[in-house]
Amino acid sequence: GAVVSQHPSWVICKSGTSVKIECRSLDFQATTMFWYRQFPKQSLMLMATSNEGSKATYEQGVEKDKFLINHASLTLSTLTVTSAHPEDSSFYICSARGPGSSGPGSYNEQFFGPGTRLTVL
Amino acid sequence: AQSVTQLGSHVSVSEGALVLLRCNYSSSVPPYLFWYVQYPNQGLQLLLKYTSAATLVKGINGFEAEFKKSETSFHLTKPSAHMSDAAEYFCAVRKAAGNKLTFGGGTRVLVKP
Repeated sequence: GAVVSQHPSWVICKSGTSVKIECRSLDFQATTMFWYRQFPKQSLMLMATSNEGSKATYEQGVEKDKFLINHASLTLSTLTVTSAHPEDSSFYICSARGPGSSGPGSYNEQFFGPGTRLTVL
Repeated sequence: AQSVTQLGSHVSVSEGALVLLRCNYSSSVPPYLFWYVQYPNQGLQLLLKYTSAATLVKGINGFEAEFKKSETSFHLTKPSAHMSDAAEYFCAVRKAAGNKLTFGGGTRVLVKP
């Protein structure tokens, strides 16, 4: 249990276009989802935290107008990179956490998606 | 604020040898601690976690870690390395009642035949 998927797994786009990345919890209700970016050979940096039905909380330095996050349902969150530029090229990883204290999707653990590699030309 | 330091960005071990990955944390409140593994172009997979129960935590794939409060450490070990252990390993900390995971810089493990 506790599977998180991301789509697409990779995407190449032209500079100036927008790209949407989906994150889905397949077998549990994700009350909270997290979005990270990871540059090559570096660690994960939290971009934002989203709770279902409310606005995302962005980390300092992350442009909320550039990285639009929507968490409209308990199983889906989306990250839209607007007007993408080459410096936005990165590996984007989502994770999800459920409301329970144990079992699949429990509050005590984040379950990670497989990541989406974005390349902006 | 909380932070995680992983000593050594790269570790090279021989197949069958001990794997030791170091993690030290700082946290103003009792922490939850995690070790994750990441294979190339993939997301993170949880190896094990400490959530204030037993200080010696056993995880998947033969890994274990010991929480030492006095040393603020949570080092990861595996008695005998396997070729399939070659990957990137991340230590992470979270406040017990908190929301965010803070990751260390990662340690890349190379296993030599």
